[in-house]
Amino acid sequence: QKEVEQDPGPLSVPEGAIVSLNCTYSNSAFQYFMWYRQYSRKGPELLMYTYSSGNKEDGRFTAQVDKSSKYISLFIRDSQPSDSATYLCAIQNAGNNRKLIWGLGTSLAVNP
Amino acid sequence: DTEVTQTPKHLVMGMTNKKSLKCEQHMGHRAMYWYKQKAKKPPELMFVYSYEKLSINESVPSRFSPECPNSSLLNLHLHALQPEDSALYLCASSQDPSGELFFGEGSRLTVL
Repeated sequence: QKEVEQDPGPLSVPEGAIVSLNCTYSNSAFQYFMWYRQYSRKGPELLMYTYSSGNKEDGRFTAQVDKSSKYISLFIRDSQPSDSATYLCAIQNAGNNRKLIWGLGTSLAVNP
Repeated sequence: DTEVTQTPKHLVMGMTNKKSLKCEQHMGHRAMYWYKQKAKKPPELMFVYSYEKLSINESVPSRFSPECPNSSLLNLHLHALQPEDSALYLCASSQDPSGELFFGEGSRLTVL
């Protein structure tokens, strides 16, 4: 079993839809959860960083963590064509020199 | 705009060439990273510098040689590369080795 599982998609939605992106992880020692957005041929851009169960909201983006189920989600409200990108979850354990464990990334297309 | 700056954006080199990739950040971060990313894959960690000292080398071949001249700069020296080394090379920084990572736009390397 991979440490972090993420469905690579592709996911295609109409403009204005609510998008749900998800990752599951296997190690309960993982404590820190990130979502990155990556446009084609660009570096990953940090969207959300959380470390506790529950929801964290930033504009149209909501990150949700359920540590009991080892499940994290990113919701995008009122999706726009400019949201078309690959979304990667990344998870860290506690301790020094925390290494990121990455999901495969989900490719999202928002159609006008 | 990212606050991690990478140069050059594109590099084409032959297998006998010597070249360098450069990275600069002015956020006062004390940890800097090199990642390699192939198409449709997540980033793979290569090296971590923590407080200007190499703290992680992910068994990277010696044809890749990192250097951290000071807390703001990170170089990756390239020598005798193979065509399979063609990839997007990403630099990242974090406030300390336990923080969230901020990435540059990447240097796209093609080895002929």
